[in-house]
Amino acid sequence: GQQLNQSPQSMFIQEGEDVSMNCTSSSIFNTWLWYKQDPGEGPVLLIALYKAGELTSNGRLTAQFGITRKDSFLNISASIPSDVGIYFCAGQPISGNTPLVFGKGTRLSVIA
Amino acid sequence: GAGVSQTPSNKVTEKGKYVELRCDPISGHTALYWYRQSLGQGPEFLIYFQGTGAADDSGLPNDRFFAVRPEGSVSTLKIQRTERGDSAVYLCASSLMAVNSPLHFGNGTRLTVT
Repeated sequence: GQQLNQSPQSMFIQEGEDVSMNCTSSSIFNTWLWYKQDPGEGPVLLIALYKAGELTSNGRLTAQFGITRKDSFLNISASIPSDVGIYFCAGQPISGNTPLVFGKGTRLSVIA
Repeated sequence: GAGVSQTPSNKVTEKGKYVELRCDPISGHTALYWYRQSLGQGPEFLIYFQGTGAADDSGLPNDRFFAVRPEGSVSTLKIQRTERGDSAVYLCASSLMAVNSPLHFGNGTRLTVT
């Protein structure tokens, strides 16, 4: 099946630093979504992107839908301790009725 | 409640037993999804429903897995003759529509097969 390559796998950063993570695919996607998952909970939607080139912000988070439709990135500015968690990218393949495909996640640790 | 509700939150069963996992989606959401998440991995698709019918069950690993959504709301994922390899977190999600509509996840059921 289709796969998303998400990097980095893990990050250790100092509080206050900016963070960047990305996701790539060998095939084209209609939609890119970014989720955050805390231990013992389900993934929570952070940002949804629906158009190639779209740049969307949600507070300190900014995400972009790559112009080739095969990639997306998520930036977090001025990280704080509660940003700790696992971040997943997810994409909806171009066929439309195909369910979301998820990356393997980026585990973020913030050192106060 | 306002979110997706999954019960039980934890289930421990012996190898060979039958289990049922329940999902109560967000009211008004027509699409319902089941995903499975193993340790250190992202969610992997199992099956999704549009209304009462299974629109895509291509992710079910074998015929021991089955899911129903008889009235287009609550769904039950059923696993027969459980194996240790079935141990994982089973996540349910719902969305307003099947296409271009974000998925909203429940907190999952952690299944442990001993």
